[in-house]
Amino acid sequence: GAVVSQHPSRVICKSGTSVKIECRSLDFQATTMFWYRQFPKQSLMLMATSNEGSKATYEQGVEKDKFLINHASLTLSTLTVTSAHPEDSSFYICSAQDSSGQETQYFGPGTRLLVL
Amino acid sequence: EDQVTQSPEALRLQEGESSSLNCSYTVSGLRGLFWYRQDPGKGPEFLFTLYSAGEEKEKERLKATLTKKESFLHITAPKPEDSATYLCAVQGDTGRRALTFGSGTRLQVQP
Repeated sequence: GAVVSQHPSRVICKSGTSVKIECRSLDFQATTMFWYRQFPKQSLMLMATSNEGSKATYEQGVEKDKFLINHASLTLSTLTVTSAHPEDSSFYICSAQDSSGQETQYFGPGTRLLVL
Repeated sequence: EDQVTQSPEALRLQEGESSSLNCSYTVSGLRGLFWYRQDPGKGPEFLFTLYSAGEEKEKERLKATLTKKESFLHITAPKPEDSATYLCAVQGDTGRRALTFGSGTRLQVQP
């Protein structure tokens, strides 16, 4: 149980284009989902907290107009990187917290984004 | 502000050589301490949640323990497939549900 999927697993795009990443909780409902970014050999950096049916809460320094988050249902959150630039190239990982009250977060497999 | 410090940064063991990884934390009211395993190019895989000092949990060759200031992940007789980065994270009682992660310990087990 507690499986989280992400799609796509890998994406290459041209500078200036937008990329959408999906995060789904497959066997549980998630009121809250989180989006992280990870650079090589570094730990996870929280970008934003996504709550179903409400606006996301962004961490300091994360541009909300650049990283659009939508959490339209209890099993789906999306992250759209708008007008992507090479510096946005990174490993993006989502996590989901079970709505039943358990504190544990389960992570997706990650999405590798390369902006040319 | 919650803080998590993991040590050592990297650890190389021979197969069968037991050891422990350390996670020191400061948090305003601990709601949970979490251990994850991360393989290169993949998302973190959940291992354990610990909620209160004195609690211990085991899974195969791994055992996690918790005190009021730190947690240990003990690895008994490790195998090469245990090679990964082990991440520790905490959640405090401030109402913020996000986890605060340590920088991880990169474990390499040589045959």
